Amino acid sequence: GAGVSQSPSNKVTEKGKDVELRCDPISGHTALYWYRQRLGQGLEFLIYFQGNSAPDKSGLPSDRFSAERTGESVSTLTIQRTQQEDSAVYLCASRLVGQETQYFGPGTRLLVL
Amino acid sequence: AQSVTQLGSHVSVSEGALVLLRCNYSSSVPPYLFWYVQYPNQGLQLLLKYTSAATLVKGINGFEAEFKKSETSFHLTKPSAHMSDAAEYFCAVSATGANSKLTFGKGITLSVRP
Repeated sequence: GAGVSQSPSNKVTEKGKDVELRCDPISGHTALYWYRQRLGQGLEFLIYFQGNSAPDKSGLPSDRFSAERTGESVSTLTIQRTQQEDSAVYLCASRLVGQETQYFGPGTRLLVL
Repeated sequence: AQSVTQLGSHVSVSEGALVLLRCNYSSSVPPYLFWYVQYPNQGLQLLLKYTSAATLVKGINGFEAEFKKSETSFHLTKPSAHMSDAAEYFCAVSATGANSKLTFGKGITLSVRP
């Protein structure tokens, strides 16, 4: 079956612009996660969705970051007023409730100039 | 709180040699432990996981890892390296329960010399 997909695969933007990153999880996976991978660093947790609600937003680095999920499916991560330090690969993962494994998408590579 | 330590950022082995990638974790609750591999410009792929069953876990591509609670370790091994094993390897820990967010180590880049 289809895996986790993310779009766009690459995004170049100018400092101060807003960007939206999209994640399509595996069908039926109600748990969804966003992570960030900055150059030379490990992956950082950003936010966790169970269904359409986000019980854990503890990893969002500032109020410029927000995310939503609709229909227990697609999720959008929005970064407002982008800064150069937001440059990173943003990874989405989904998980079937009751299972331990998170399945990752290919990521969106964001470059803020 | 949970954390993962992967010592060193780069390991180089000869083709056919033993691969040993170290991972130590800290967790206040019984953990789940994972090794993921990331090939260039690709997402993460699960190699293997420990979920409180057998302490010696076998994964894909000939990799295995042993959970040692007394040492808080989950080292990844492969008896004989192949050129195709060159990639970045991440160890991760999660708590059990609904959230199960992953806490990752910084990753280790494995190079394989011909």
